[in-house]
Amino acid sequence: GENVEQHPSTLSVQEGDSAVIKCTYSDSASNYFPWYKQELGKRPQLIIDIRSNVGEKKDQRIAVTLNKTAKHFSLHITETQPEDSAVYFCAASKNTDKLIFGTGTRLQVFP
Amino acid sequence: DTGVSQNPRHKITKRGQNVTFRCDPISEHNRLYWYRQTLGQGPEFLTYFQNEAQLEKSRLLSDRFSAERPKGSFSTLEIQRTEQGDSAMYLCAGKTGSSSDTQYFGPGTRLTVL
Repeated sequence: GENVEQHPSTLSVQEGDSAVIKCTYSDSASNYFPWYKQELGKRPQLIIDIRSNVGEKKDQRIAVTLNKTAKHFSLHITETQPEDSAVYFCAASKNTDKLIFGTGTRLQVFP
Repeated sequence: DTGVSQNPRHKITKRGQNVTFRCDPISEHNRLYWYRQTLGQGPEFLTYFQNEAQLEKSRLLSDRFSAERPKGSFSTLEIQRTEQGDSAMYLCAGKTGSSSDTQYFGPGTRLTVL
């Protein structure tokens, strides 16, 4: 069945360092890959997304890369700040269908 | 704020009782999704609607679960004869038509079954 694997499950970085979270998806028909940030007790919020016709997308300190051949996509956060601390989820879907989520990465940014 | 609201925000019930949750998306959201999220896990798809039509149901959605979207606006999710394993956060998400892929989540309803 459809599956998204996400690594690492926890990530601790010093403020100002970069953080990288990686995901792999199983369904080669997937063509939309969003990343959500979820703070404790709050709703998941979209931070960036990428479609399969694009290899990379940037938005200020956040970037996402996609390798369709390897069925692999990654989230890169540069110059991390304490307010970046949260749980990050990758997801995959095809044809704007339901989202299949990864298991999440708890990011802690230490001042 | 995504404009998607859910009520109640918290629900505590005893095993065997029925519960109903409500999701109110914005008027432009012709698609509405329900997900379930347990502690430490990512949201899992349950079902979704295109306007008032329920188009897909996950095998996670046992016959104790039913969802409706009678007028293509708000949606309800009912769980009958609740079990302790039903304890989770129930999230709904709205999406506009095919021009947008983005799903906007509501704040969720946290269900605790004692």
